[in-house]
Amino acid sequence: GAVVSQHPSWVICKSGTSVKIECRSLDFQATTMFWYRQFPKQSLMLMATSNEGSKATYEQGVEKDKFLINHASLTLSTLTVTSAHPEDSSFYICSAIKELDGGYTFGSGTRLTVV
Amino acid sequence: RKEVEQDPGPFNVPEGATVAFNCTYSNSASQSFFWYRQDCRKEPKLLMSVYSSGNEDGRFTAQLNRASQYISLLIRDSKLSDSATYLCVVMSQAGTALIFGKGTTLSVSS
Repeated sequence: GAVVSQHPSWVICKSGTSVKIECRSLDFQATTMFWYRQFPKQSLMLMATSNEGSKATYEQGVEKDKFLINHASLTLSTLTVTSAHPEDSSFYICSAIKELDGGYTFGSGTRLTVV
Repeated sequence: RKEVEQDPGPFNVPEGATVAFNCTYSNSASQSFFWYRQDCRKEPKLLMSVYSSGNEDGRFTAQLNRASQYISLLIRDSKLSDSATYLCVVMSQAGTALIFGKGTTLSVSS
C-alpha cells in the first residue's frame, strides 16, 4: 500500500519548452505533497510544499513562476517546468505523506534533460 | 551552516567490514530522524528511523544524540548489496518536509 506513481520517468526536451511532471497517490489521499530536486552528487533539495486546494509554498530561491505546482485533487500534484533551460536539467522527485501513519512515500523520480 | 551535514565519503570497504556514518543537524527543535538509502538514479528508500535510545535492525544500528545533535549509522558485516548512498534525514515537525543530507557513498567490494 501507499504507492506514489510519478511520470514520466525521464524526459528530454528542447530549451524553451515546458515539461509537466505528474505525481499520483494510488491508494491513499495525499493532502500534502513535496517536490524535491536533486543535482548530481547533491542532496535532495526541497523546492515546494503542495497542499490540495491551495497555493504551493515555495522555498527560498525557487521561482514560483517557473516551477508551477498544481494540487487540484487529493491524489494528484503536478509540477510544470516552464521555459526550461539546460540548467534545469535535474532529477525531480515528489513525496507524499501517508495519512494513516504519517510516513513519507516517494515517487520514483523524473530525470529531466534540457538540450 | 547546512541543516544536515554528512561526510560524503566515498567509503570503500571489503565485504564483511564494519562501517560507520556520522551526521549532524543544526535545528535543535527537530523531532524525527531517519536514515534513507538511495541507489543510483533511484528514489530514496527508508532504511530505518532513529530513536534516542538507539535502535537496531539486523546488521544496522542507528543512534541519536540530541545534546550533540548527532546521528550515526553502523553497518556490520557489509554485503555487496549494501553499496549505495546513505542519506541522513531530519524532520522538524510532523507534516513538514524531510530535510536531507548530501549523503555518504558506500562501496562494498569482494
